[in-house]
Amino acid sequence: EAQVTQNPRYLITVTGKKLTVTCSQNMNHEYMSWYRQDPGLGLRQIYYSMNVEVTDKGDVPEGYKVSRKEKRNFPLILESPSPNQTSLYFCASSRNSPGLVLSEQFFGPGTRLTVL
Amino acid sequence: QKEVEQDPGPLSVPEGAIVSLNCTYSNSAFQYFMWYRQYSRKGPELLMYTYSSGNKEDGRFTAQVDKSSKYISLFIRDSQPSDSATYLCAMSARSGGSNYKLTFGKGTLLTVNP
Repeated sequence: EAQVTQNPRYLITVTGKKLTVTCSQNMNHEYMSWYRQDPGLGLRQIYYSMNVEVTDKGDVPEGYKVSRKEKRNFPLILESPSPNQTSLYFCASSRNSPGLVLSEQFFGPGTRLTVL
Repeated sequence: QKEVEQDPGPLSVPEGAIVSLNCTYSNSAFQYFMWYRQYSRKGPELLMYTYSSGNKEDGRFTAQVDKSSKYISLFIRDSQPSDSATYLCAMSARSGGSNYKLTFGKGTLLTVNP
């Protein structure tokens, strides 16, 4: 089954404790992206990657890191989480840059992160 | 003015009603227009995709784009309780090289009551 998986699905942590949210896709997609979704603010892009070893900042990259060492994986790293990073996080993948014709973006199930 | 404006609702309708969801935008560079549906505790999924002014129909769903007014709509006919979800509009424009950036509306929460 074609899918995007994220782990963990739920995480409660404390300020300053480094964490990683994993993302994996099995569709051989080149483009992967991380979003955060907050009430009243909608979906905002954190980082994206157009291919292996190619990453770039989205709209809200502060406090986050990413890496793309393999095509299928795109982990999101919070080196020193803070309470304002409490949010619902989505990983997404698409064959090419989303918005291009026939480049549907597939979303993972989400990771709900709480930073105390 | 925000790039994409979408009324967050919530919108509550009886089963069988025609639902109209709307977004306005300010960036003339937007070329592609999408509607995503997001069920509770799930990721968004693509529902409709258009790239020109006019209407596109898919079953009970019709997407409408008016580029001259910078206005897009999603119509749901004969709405069903299973249509209850948050609907997000999304638009894309080239952001450099071969990359296209997707900008989402905040989403409208729809409830269809049996």
